[in-house]
Amino acid sequence: NAGVTQTPKFQVLKTGQSMTLQCAQDMNHNSMYWYRQDPGMGLRLIYYSASEGTTDKGEVPNGYNVSRLNKREFSLRLESAAPSQTSVYFCASSDEGINYGYTFGSGTRLTVV
Amino acid sequence: RKEVEQDPGPFNVPEGATVAFNCTYSNSASQSFFWYRQDCRKEPKLLMSVYSSGNEDGRFTAQLNRASQYISLLIRDSKLSDSATYLCVVYGDSGYALNFGKGTSLLVTP
Repeated sequence: NAGVTQTPKFQVLKTGQSMTLQCAQDMNHNSMYWYRQDPGMGLRLIYYSASEGTTDKGEVPNGYNVSRLNKREFSLRLESAAPSQTSVYFCASSDEGINYGYTFGSGTRLTVV
Repeated sequence: RKEVEQDPGPFNVPEGATVAFNCTYSNSASQSFFWYRQDCRKEPKLLMSVYSSGNEDGRFTAQLNRASQYISLLIRDSKLSDSATYLCVVYGDSGYALNFGKGTSLLVTP
């Protein structure tokens, strides 16, 4: 079972470059999420998608865009990377019942220089 | 103001010890509660849900006190493999998604 797959696992960008982080889940989950994790800050929600075709801002959406391409895939785009976006990015998905919690991908470690 | 608060630790305990973590949340309307475990440089993984009646899974016991807006996790007979960061997680604080505490670090030593 693949679960939630994120690519790439590591990336170094120069300030001002753009990139897209990819996320796909094979569990037929309706909801998908993007979080970033920074030392001392914990996990913070960037964007989420409650269902295919819908996206909503989370706690820290500035500098990011998302696309829910289909039920399986939810991508995160940095249009013009900044050093403040250096972080570990986690994608997650969940089923209808929130009591099942989330399944996370293994993360993307992004460094912006 | 963080809506889910945890003592960051670290908690250093010997093997076999019992250790307890606490967490408070600010929104009394919160609906669901969880403990996640995160190993170093890995993704968070669901450890257990927390129910109002309390629940136990082997050496792990979780309790919820809605009146005090307080969640706890008790680990008995600690193992070296329990060393990790434990995240307190609440649903209902921030719209549709889960709200994570910053985590409590546990180190179990021989």
